[in-house]
Amino acid sequence: EVQLLESGGGLVQPGGSLRLSCAASGFTFSTYAMGWVRQAPGKGLEWVSSISGSGGFTYYTDSVKGRFIISRDNSKNTLFLQINSLRAEDTAVYYCAKDSQQWVVQGGFDYWGQGTLVTVSS
Amino acid sequence: SYVLTQPPSVSVAPGKTARITCGGNNIGSKSVHWYQQKPGQAPVLVIYYDSDRPSGIPERFSGSHSGNTATLSISRVEAGDEADYYCQVWDSSGDRYVFGTGTKVTVL
Repeated sequence: EVQLLESGGGLVQPGGSLRLSCAASGFTFSTYAMGWVRQAPGKGLEWVSSISGSGGFTYYTDSVKGRFIISRDNSKNTLFLQINSLRAEDTAVYYCAKDSQQWVVQGGFDYWGQGTLVTVSS
Repeated sequence: SYVLTQPPSVSVAPGKTARITCGGNNIGSKSVHWYQQKPGQAPVLVIYYDSDRPSGIPERFSGSHSGNTATLSISRVEAGDEADYYCQVWDSSGDRYVFGTGTKVTVL
C-alpha cells in the first residue's frame, strides 16, 4: 500500500524558513517523480514543485523560484521541500504527491499525503 | 503562462450526468488529469491521461478533450460525488504543472 506522510509544517514568522519532509512507502520510490502541491485556506490547488526520480531534474512554479528547494533522498525514501523567505501568501496546506507514471514528470498525481499546514504570521 | 479555466460551480440532480469543463489554449494537444477533493481531504485522482481511470474509480467517471476544452463527465450522479473537481495539465513550454480554477459540484 502506497503511503505518503508529510511533516515539518508549523507557524513561522515572515522571512523565516521551514523544511518539509515526506516519508514514502509501498512503491519503488527512486523510479517515480514526486511533487508538492499547496492549497491556501479556502482556495484552489496550486502546484509548487516537482522532482524527477533520480533527483536530477527539478521544476518550480514562478512564485517560489529562488526561495524553495525540492530534493529527495532515495536511500531513505524521503522527499523534502526547503522553504525560505516565507511570505504571508505562502500560508497553505502543503501536500506531497507521487506522479502516476515511472520516470516522467507529467502523469498526474495518483497518491497524495494528508498534508501539512504552514502558517506564516507574525 | 498557461491558464486553465473551469466554471465555479455545477449543479446536477441525482441520477443525471454532470459535465465539468476545463478550458485552455489547445488543451486537446495535452494530457489532462482530473481530481476530486472533498472537504478536509486530500485530492483524489479520478481521470489521468485524458480518459484513463485509476483502479477503484467507478466507470461513471469519464474524460474527453478536443480543441480548447476538456470535459469530465460523471454519469448517474450520487450524493457522494459532491466535491470540488480540478483539471491539470503539464505545460511543457514552461516545464510546470498547471491546475484549473476548480469546480464545485453540488448534487441537488
